[in-house]
Amino acid sequence: GNSVTQMEGPVTLSEEAFLTINCTYTATGYPSLFWYVQYPGEGLQLLLKATKADDKGSNKGFEATYRKETTSFHLEKGSVQVSDSAVYFCALSDPGGSQGNLIFGKGTKLSVKP
Amino acid sequence: DAGVIQSPRHEVTEMGQEVTLRCKPISGHNSLFWYRQTMMRGLELLIYFNNNVPIDDSGMPEDRFSAKMPNASFSTLKIQPSEPRDSAVYFCASSFASGNQPQHFGDGTRLSIL
Repeated sequence: GNSVTQMEGPVTLSEEAFLTINCTYTATGYPSLFWYVQYPGEGLQLLLKATKADDKGSNKGFEATYRKETTSFHLEKGSVQVSDSAVYFCALSDPGGSQGNLIFGKGTKLSVKP
Repeated sequence: DAGVIQSPRHEVTEMGQEVTLRCKPISGHNSLFWYRQTMMRGLELLIYFNNNVPIDDSGMPEDRFSAKMPNASFSTLKIQPSEPRDSAVYFCASSFASGNQPQHFGDGTRLSIL
C-alpha cells in the first residue's frame, strides 16, 4: 500500500545549522507530495508542496525536491532559526483517490538551540 | 479568509459523559477530515467525508465514536460514553477533493477525560 517514512527524531540543531529531514514514500501512480509544520499548541500548516517529478517546493527558506527515481522528498533549510522549532510531517496524496485524502508520516520533531 | 474553525478549543469532562466536537470547514471545500493526535500514536485519521458523505470510517476506534456532516458547513464528532483513553487533541481539516490539493487544519480541540 501507499506509505510515507520519515527519519525519526528528535533532531536537535544549533541556530544557523543546515537542516535535512529525510522522507521517502511508496505509492502507485503519481502522488503529490507535501510538507506540513506543526508549532506547539497549533494545528498542522502546509509548508510546501510538489505535484510532479523534479518539482521543487519552497517556502520560508525551506526546500524539497520531488525525486521519483529515489521516491524521496527530503526537506532542507540552509540556516535554521530558533523559531523553526516544531514538528515536521511529510505527506502524500492518495494517488488512487479523488477526495483529497493524504497519507502522513509519523512526524519529526526539530529543536533549534540558540 | 476564515480558516477551519473548531470548537471548543479545550474540553475537560468526566468519564462516561458525552462529548461533542464541532468543525466548520473552509467555505467551498468539499472534503472534510477528522484526526486524533496523541504522543503514543501520533496523528491518526479517524474518518473523512466527501460532499457530506462518509467515505472511510475505518479509523474510528470503536462504536463509542460517531461523526456526522449534516451540511457542507458543519460537522460533529461525538464520543459517547467517553473514557480516559480518549484524551487527545482532535483536529478537523478540509480541502478540495483533488489529489494535488492540500488539507487545511483547524487549531484542534484538546480533550481531557478524567
